[in-house]
Amino acid sequence: AQSVTQLDSQVPVFEEAPVELRCNYSSSVSVYLFWYVQYPNQGLQLLLKYLSGSTLVKGINGFEAEFNKSQTSFHLRKPSVHISDTAEYFCAVSDRGTSYDKVIFGPGTSLSVIP
Amino acid sequence: GAGVSQTPSNKVTEKGKYVELRCDPISGHTALYWYRQSLGQGPEFLIYFQGTGAADDSGLPNDRFFAVRPEGSVSTLKIQRTERGDSAVYLCASSSQAGDTQYFGPGTRLTVL
Repeated sequence: AQSVTQLDSQVPVFEEAPVELRCNYSSSVSVYLFWYVQYPNQGLQLLLKYLSGSTLVKGINGFEAEFNKSQTSFHLRKPSVHISDTAEYFCAVSDRGTSYDKVIFGPGTSLSVIP
Repeated sequence: GAGVSQTPSNKVTEKGKYVELRCDPISGHTALYWYRQSLGQGPEFLIYFQGTGAADDSGLPNDRFFAVRPEGSVSTLKIQRTERGDSAVYLCASSSQAGDTQYFGPGTRLTVL
């Protein structure tokens, strides 16, 4: 069975500072990896996804993530955050086999950008 | 174009009652998914439809939960004999085909008193 760990439940960061949100996963098979963002009172929105190829994935709003197979990690980074980045961020995984549509989400990390 | 819509946005019911939650996917999307998000947690997979059939219902917690998609478009999640523990936000998502990016609706917040 797959699982996703997001070690930091809350991350406060000052505006224009860099940020890294950590994600680790466990799976016995090859996986697809995702980061979703949930802004206050809005639905989930896909930030970026890793399917194959380059391990560095660029997404919307200046975010990027790097897939590290040996460390089973998919950390999300942004070099300079804005107030508008305040939101809940979810890491998610699905396997490449027959159940690839069953997406397993982590518990989320609440990013608070401080002016 | 229009995104995924869910109705109602909020539903308050009493323990033991029956509720139906509706999801309208993006037009033309063949895959539809239901998730449940409890307070402070990530979404939890419930069921996935490919067309009219449930391709994977392994996430449904028990037989009080049932979902249908009779014409391959709109889906209804049905919960019988609701319990306080069913209180959560129920999310629906759709994708153009299985394996493609899932687009989420705003959710239905269910409160069972």
